[in-house]
Amino acid sequence: AQTVTQSQPEMSVQEAETVTLSCTYDTSENNYYLFWYKQPPSRQMILVIRQEAYKQQNATENRFSVNFQKAAKSFSLKISDSQLGDTAMYFCAFIPTSGTYKYIFGTGTRLKVLA
Amino acid sequence: DTAVSQTPKYLVTQMGNDKSIKCEQNLGHDTMYWYKQDSKKFLKIMFSYNNKELIINETVPNRFSPKSPDKAHLNLHINSLELGDSAVYFCASRSLPQETQYFGPGTRLLVL
Repeated sequence: AQTVTQSQPEMSVQEAETVTLSCTYDTSENNYYLFWYKQPPSRQMILVIRQEAYKQQNATENRFSVNFQKAAKSFSLKISDSQLGDTAMYFCAFIPTSGTYKYIFGTGTRLKVLA
Repeated sequence: DTAVSQTPKYLVTQMGNDKSIKCEQNLGHDTMYWYKQDSKKFLKIMFSYNNKELIINETVPNRFSPKSPDKAHLNLHINSLELGDSAVYFCASRSLPQETQYFGPGTRLLVL
């Protein structure tokens, strides 16, 4: 079975500091996509970053970057210069490219940025 | 322009009632989804349609019935509402080839 594990239910970070959220996944597929979604208190699910498994280069989006380790099946999210607006639930998600329509989501990490 | 919209955003109703939630996307995507997010924030997939055809039907009580009149719309009808149906329901659509999901704002359902 394909699974996504987020082992940190809650984290906190001081404003302007850096924080890393962990995500591991289990699959026998070779090609897939990985995502981080952010859900602030407004409850809107917002795409933060996306990684294609066949690309070795780690994806970055402004202050957000990932550390993708395919062999270890690890996909962590680094948030630099944390801002109060980064306070949210963060979900890691995965979908193989083999024609399935089903996304697998982790259980989420609640991040609080402290002033 | 709203990409994925849901109505209503809030729904408060009594046990035993029947209610519907509507979803529309203007992104031209072929595949749409319904998810349920419980109080612990866990996202559970319920249904998916691809071009009006049901392709995912998870273990969901048959009181829940999705309907897709066209590929831009996916509605969710719930019969005989129960307390345990209280949750936030998200609609999403899927872009290709990026494989990215775009979510609606969610519908918070409270059953009293």
